Amino acid sequence: GQQLNQSPQSMFIQEGEDVSMNCTSSSIFNTWLWYKQDPGEGPVLLIALYKAGELTSNGRLTAQFGITRKDSFLNISASIPSDVGIYFCAGRGISGYALNFGKGTSLLVTP
Amino acid sequence: EAQVTQNPRYLITVTGKKLTVTCSQNMNHEYMSWYRQDPGLGLRQIYYSMNVEVTDKGDVPEGYKVSRKEKRNFPLILESPSPNQTSLYFCASSLSVANTGELFFGEGSRLTVL
Repeated sequence: GQQLNQSPQSMFIQEGEDVSMNCTSSSIFNTWLWYKQDPGEGPVLLIALYKAGELTSNGRLTAQFGITRKDSFLNISASIPSDVGIYFCAGRGISGYALNFGKGTSLLVTP
Repeated sequence: EAQVTQNPRYLITVTGKKLTVTCSQNMNHEYMSWYRQDPGLGLRQIYYSMNVEVTDKGDVPEGYKVSRKEKRNFPLILESPSPNQTSLYFCASSLSVANTGELFFGEGSRLTVL
């Protein structure tokens, strides 16, 4: 599968700060998704995006499907300690069913 | 409660001793998949299944086997485990092939091969 470039690799922030992370691909995707993995658990789907330019929110989380269809970003506003975890982007290309994952962004939030 | 259940959650074994990690989902999902998670490498797909008796290789299938005899179960078999298969394994499922991005993950199985 195709490797996605996810950045940053890790973030260490204070409670209340906003967070931004992004993911890029060298080829076009028709689906972008964002997952969160809490420590010791499996990833959980946060947001799914299916159209270029689509902007979707889930509480304090906002994600966008890039216009070029080769990137996506996730923003977290007013972070809280329970936001701690690893955030994965994932994308599916225009052919096939395989879901390609980024390597993850590890987020630490201090009170 | 809708869930994907994996067993065992933790296992330490020795090189060459065959083992099976079971995966079961209670959501009547068609699509099931196995991933391994390693530090710095993210999630890599091992095998997937689009429906009963339909399985296919993912990105890192070497050393693994799977079967899909029933819709709810998708066991991962390591015929002769080696230390490089020490990893955290996740089973996942989704409603259909069209929804393969919207995966429900199990809680993971941490395997150590000595």
